[in-house]
Amino acid sequence: AQSVTQLGSHVSVSEGALVLLRCNYSSSVPPYLFWYVQYPNQGLQLLLKYTTGATLVKGINGFEAEFKKSETSFHLTKPSAHMSDAAEYFCAVRGDNAGNMLTFGGGTRLMVKP
Amino acid sequence: DTGVSQDPRHKITKRGQNVTFRCDPISEHNRLYWYRQTLGQGPEFLTYFQNEAQLEKSRLLSDRFSAERPKGSFSTLEIQRTEQGDSAMYLCASSPLGTGGEYFGPGTRLTVT
Repeated sequence: AQSVTQLGSHVSVSEGALVLLRCNYSSSVPPYLFWYVQYPNQGLQLLLKYTTGATLVKGINGFEAEFKKSETSFHLTKPSAHMSDAAEYFCAVRGDNAGNMLTFGGGTRLMVKP
Repeated sequence: DTGVSQDPRHKITKRGQNVTFRCDPISEHNRLYWYRQTLGQGPEFLTYFQNEAQLEKSRLLSDRFSAERPKGSFSTLEIQRTEQGDSAMYLCASSPLGTGGEYFGPGTRLTVT
């Protein structure tokens, strides 16, 4: 079975500072990894995904994530935070399950201070 | 807008009543998923369709829950004899065949009083 752990349920950064949201996963097969963002009272929007190939993945809104197999990690970063980045972020894994569904972490709420 | 749509967006019901939610996926997407999200948690998988076939159901999906996708297009999720523990956001998502991620709808927020 696969699982996802997001370290830090709340992260606060100043506007313009580096954003780092941590995600570790477990999967018995090479995983497909995803980051989603959720704004209040809305559904989830796909930020970026890793399937195969290049381990550094670039997504929308200036976010990127690096797949590190040796560390079983897929941390999300952005060089400079904007106020509009304040939201809930979810890491997810699709592994070897027959249903092809995503398994999500518990989420990290990002707060951006002016 | 050609994204995933869900109806209704909000539903308040009394305990014991039945409710039904609808999801319209992106038209060319073969796969359709239902997830449930409670406050402060990540979404949890409920069930999955490929075209009209329901291929997997989570243990979270009790006998009171039933989902259909009769013609491989829209889907419905029905909850019978609702309980207060059913209060949550119900998210629908769709995806094409392949390794890409799911595209989520805005969700239906259910409140059981």
